[in-house]
Amino acid sequence: DAKTTQPNSMESNEEEPVHLPCNHSTISGTDYIHWYRQLPSQGPEYVIHGLTSNVNNRMASLAIAEDRKSSTLILHRATLRDAAVYYCILKRQGGSEKLVFGKGTKLTVNP
Amino acid sequence: ETGVTQTPRHLVMGMTNKKSLKCEQHLGHNAMYWYKQSAKKPLELMFVYNFKEQTENNSVPSRFSPECPNSSHLFLHLHTLQPEDSALYLCASSQVNSVTGELFFGEGSRLTVL
Repeated sequence: DAKTTQPNSMESNEEEPVHLPCNHSTISGTDYIHWYRQLPSQGPEYVIHGLTSNVNNRMASLAIAEDRKSSTLILHRATLRDAAVYYCILKRQGGSEKLVFGKGTKLTVNP
Repeated sequence: ETGVTQTPRHLVMGMTNKKSLKCEQHLGHNAMYWYKQSAKKPLELMFVYNFKEQTENNSVPSRFSPECPNSSHLFLHLHTLQPEDSALYLCASSQVNSVTGELFFGEGSRLTVL
């Protein structure tokens, strides 16, 4: 499985945008970029995924670099409930359904 | 009941005990997973079941024995565990070949081995 690199931790202030980076320089053409987050004392939950184009949903936006070697998860207005560990994961199209998690980025949101 | 339900939420057991963790999904999915999350370590995939058949065993010790009687239920039978097996055990389900490939996780079973 191709590897992703994320900062260990980031801080943000409430109501401000948050940009969570992820590097995946060995990504292959059929790898989708998935983001999950894990709130305290809960299992991970799906946030968003994309292949080449930027994606938006009700939770977040995903900006994918043109060469696909990096991506950024954007929370437009952070709330205290967004404090979580955010995982960037590559998942091969047509491959195993499993997800391989790294250490993720622990996001702290300050009031 | 909706989503993925795990029971018990907390379990304390001695090294000689036998216990089981249960997972049930109400999403109509056909793949189920066990993950282990130890303190300060990434989630580790343990087992994968597709259509009730085990398709992956990630070098898990035999003291952990999974069982998938049908596509909605997944068990993890525990026997003669070690204190280092204390962790949060997470169950997940997904629909094979779905558009998003999204995994849905339960809230986990926190296991303490004394």
